Amino acid sequence: GIQVEQSPPDLILQEGANSTLRCNFSDSVNNLQWFHQNPWGQLINLFYIPSGTKQNGRLSATTVATERYSLLYISSSQTTDSGVYFCAANTGNQFYFGTGTSLTVIP
Amino acid sequence: DTEVTQTPKHLVMGMTNKKSLKCEQHMGHRAMYWYKQKAKKPPELMFVYSYEKLSINESVPSRFSPECPNSSLLNLHLHALQPEDSALYLCASSRLTGLGGYTFGSGTRLTVV
Repeated sequence: GIQVEQSPPDLILQEGANSTLRCNFSDSVNNLQWFHQNPWGQLINLFYIPSGTKQNGRLSATTVATERYSLLYISSSQTTDSGVYFCAANTGNQFYFGTGTSLTVIP
Repeated sequence: DTEVTQTPKHLVMGMTNKKSLKCEQHMGHRAMYWYKQKAKKPPELMFVYSYEKLSINESVPSRFSPECPNSSLLNLHLHALQPEDSALYLCASSRLTGLGGYTFGSGTRLTVV
């Protein structure tokens, strides 16, 4: 299967700061999603973005499929943004999760 | 209805017990999945059902037994589990396997004592 790597593994931000999370994948993908896992374990879908750019409020994501990476931008971070961010890539029947970025936003 | 519902949210069971986890979706999705997640790790795929048929079993021990009674419902039957099976169990669905976005339930946090 493909390798999905995320960076950075851990990130601490002051409330109001901006950040960029990166996801690299080792092969062509049919589907790329970004999830936020909250402290209770719920995986919340942020973006379904196999290619291109999408924005939703303070969050936006860009996937450059030809170069095999995706970026998640968080602007004006809030304490409720804390949690683990996963990207996941699909190459057919299998959905491969990255290792995650643990984000802590401090007031 | 755009969600996946899992019950129970929490479960504590002994090593000799039999219990079941339930997952339900009413989005018309024809692919459903079970994932296992240990603390500070990404979710790991256990089973994939496509059109109510088991299509992928990721070498999961037989003490975990999946069942898909209809297109909306997915169960995971548990028997003779070990303490190391304690984890968050997540259910997901998608329009078809490999197509469309995945929607996850809120999970069942299982503790085996």
